[in-house]
Amino acid sequence: EIQLLESGGGLVQPGGSLRLSCAASGFSFSNYALSWVRQAPGKGLEWVSGVSSATGSTYYADSVKGRFTVSRDNSKNTLDLQMNSLRVEDTAVYYCAKAYCSSDSCYFGHMDVWGKGTTVTVSS
Amino acid sequence: QSVLTQPPSASGTPGQRVTISCSGSSSNIGKNYVYWYQQLPGTAPKLLIYRNNQRPSGVPDRFSGSKSGTSASLAISGLRSEDETDYYCATWDDSLSGAVFGGGTKLTVL
Repeated sequence: EIQLLESGGGLVQPGGSLRLSCAASGFSFSNYALSWVRQAPGKGLEWVSGVSSATGSTYYADSVKGRFTVSRDNSKNTLDLQMNSLRVEDTAVYYCAKAYCSSDSCYFGHMDVWGKGTTVTVSS
Repeated sequence: QSVLTQPPSASGTPGQRVTISCSGSSSNIGKNYVYWYQQLPGTAPKLLIYRNNQRPSGVPDRFSGSKSGTSASLAISGLRSEDETDYYCATWDDSLSGAVFGGGTKLTVL
């Protein structure tokens, strides 16, 4: 069974840092792109960041660029999100999602497996 | 303000057909596949439609998607009470070099 399990959420003060992790199982991790998607309380979905499979290229939403860093460890089947300079508006449930990849391309909009999410609260 | 524009709400009666629109631009919907997600309260989103109009295994054929130019639509026929939840469109945006979501549509079954 394909599974994604997020961890690392919690309460942090504005300006602080937090590192989220996503442990993957049940599929060939290195062959797939992955994304972080967040949802603020009572709000819609927001794509935060993604990392490709082959080249490890990284992508970020403008709202987190320069503050968040996504990385993957194919030897451990894990995806991380290092979040620095956190703001109150970063408060959200953060989901890890697997992107569909064909033989020649990965499609970040095509998120076919999702984790249950981990909650990040930024508050003083 | 989302890059993709969806109506905040939609409604229909049981058995009826409803559509939810998703409007974008030439840098996103105009050049890339559109995806639709269904999110039940307190749960992670679930992929409902991929590549504009394809259904993953297990998704009823009551759900269908279409795309024309820079807009897309999700249609739900034979509306059922369990369809009452939130729906999101998504795609890749070439200008932003990132995936983007619509603001979401809350569907009410009257």
